[in-house]
Amino acid sequence: QQQVKQSPQSLIVQKGGISIINCAYENTAFDYFPWYQQFPGKGPALLIAIRPDVSEKKEGRFTISFNKSAKQFSLHIMDSQPGDSATYFCAARETSGSRLTFGEGTQLTVNP
Amino acid sequence: DAGITQSPRHKVTETGTPVTLRCHQTENHRYMYWYRQDPGHGLRLIHYSYGVKDTDKGEVSDGYSVSRSKTEDFLLTLESATSSQTSVYFCAISPGLAGGMDTQYFGPGTRLTVL
Repeated sequence: QQQVKQSPQSLIVQKGGISIINCAYENTAFDYFPWYQQFPGKGPALLIAIRPDVSEKKEGRFTISFNKSAKQFSLHIMDSQPGDSATYFCAARETSGSRLTFGEGTQLTVNP
Repeated sequence: DAGITQSPRHKVTETGTPVTLRCHQTENHRYMYWYRQDPGHGLRLIHYSYGVKDTDKGEVSDGYSVSRSKTEDFLLTLESATSSQTSVYFCAISPGLAGGMDTQYFGPGTRLTVL
């Protein structure tokens, strides 16, 4: 049972465009929502994270938008660059624990 | 990779043989995790540890066991490897910050192939 659904599976964007990856969850006990970035042959690395008490968080070209009522959150990458080409994972953690539940991943390709 | 090493980095083994993967950290973090990564499934938690000798199961624990006898080391054992356990295995650590945005840091991964 996948508790965090991520879409799309793959995404191709032109340089300078906006990349948008979406995630949805069912468990209302989730209280922390990180996004991880993974390059080929490497482990995932934290990119940006949000708590549900805010609707948006921005760090440079990366923004998380959070809709608590819809139980959805998304990653927006502005001015996408070829160096952003990687696999992106959303995740969620319950209030009571440290375990993360991950989405299935999105393979992003930014064409020059 | 945040002071995390995994060994071996690559391993090919045969069905039915035991396999042990090692995760070593130099960050003195309380929590350690083992995940497997497979196409279409993202990262799935196998087992995790919240202290020396304290471990618990994740969502895909069948066929795996773990041990943590020291803060810095977390071992994952496949007692009798099967082809379905062919995967990339990641270790992660986190400090266990109560009430905060506790970040998990991942190691470089181990690619295991079971023939």
